[in-house]
Amino acid sequence: GNSVTQMEGPVTLSEEAFLTINCTYTATGYPSLFWYVQYPGEGLQLLLKATKADDKGSNKGFEATYRKETTSFHLEKGSVQVSDSAVYFCALSGESGNQGGKLIFGQGTELSVKP
Amino acid sequence: KAGVTQTPRYLIKTRGQQVTLSCSPISGHRSVSWYQQTPGQGLQFLFEYFSETQRNKGNFPGRFSGRQFSNSRSEMNVSTLELGDSALYLCASSSGQKNTEAFFGQGTRLTVV
Repeated sequence: GNSVTQMEGPVTLSEEAFLTINCTYTATGYPSLFWYVQYPGEGLQLLLKATKADDKGSNKGFEATYRKETTSFHLEKGSVQVSDSAVYFCALSGESGNQGGKLIFGQGTELSVKP
Repeated sequence: KAGVTQTPRYLIKTRGQQVTLSCSPISGHRSVSWYQQTPGQGLQFLFEYFSETQRNKGNFPGRFSGRQFSNSRSEMNVSTLELGDSALYLCASSSGQKNTEAFFGQGTRLTVV
């Protein structure tokens, strides 16, 4: 079945460092891919998405490119801030019509940014 | 546009009791999904309701059930609570079409004592 694998955390970086969080997936067909972020005590917020191969999703300085050849959707940011400290989840969508409302998540990667 | 609203935010229940959680999706969204989040198991899909019908179901025991009303609001019920049911329960709202994103509520933190 479909699955998502993320790099294990926690990831600890200094402010202004470069961030990469790896995400790979297994899926039949052509799912959409997402990154969600969760701040302490909160629900998940959609960070960015990509709906087809070679699409690049971007938001708030974060980017991720849908790579079908390597089945990857790695999250990157050029210069992290303390306020980026959170847990990041990679997810893929259901591909068929009746799976549309279901998301499959990776295990989450905790990011801690130190001043 | 109002976001996804979950009530209550926090609950403390005793083993053996039952609990009902509520979720109001974004206006116009017909799909509501429920997830359980725990430190050990991460985010696990419980079930999805679309136009008042359960469309998808995860691997949870029958003690976990749900329903959706004609206005798309959804409730989730857990009967005969166990200590292991302590978790953050998240509701997600979407159009329900394939390859669409979901928007999450802030969750209900359930503690079973």
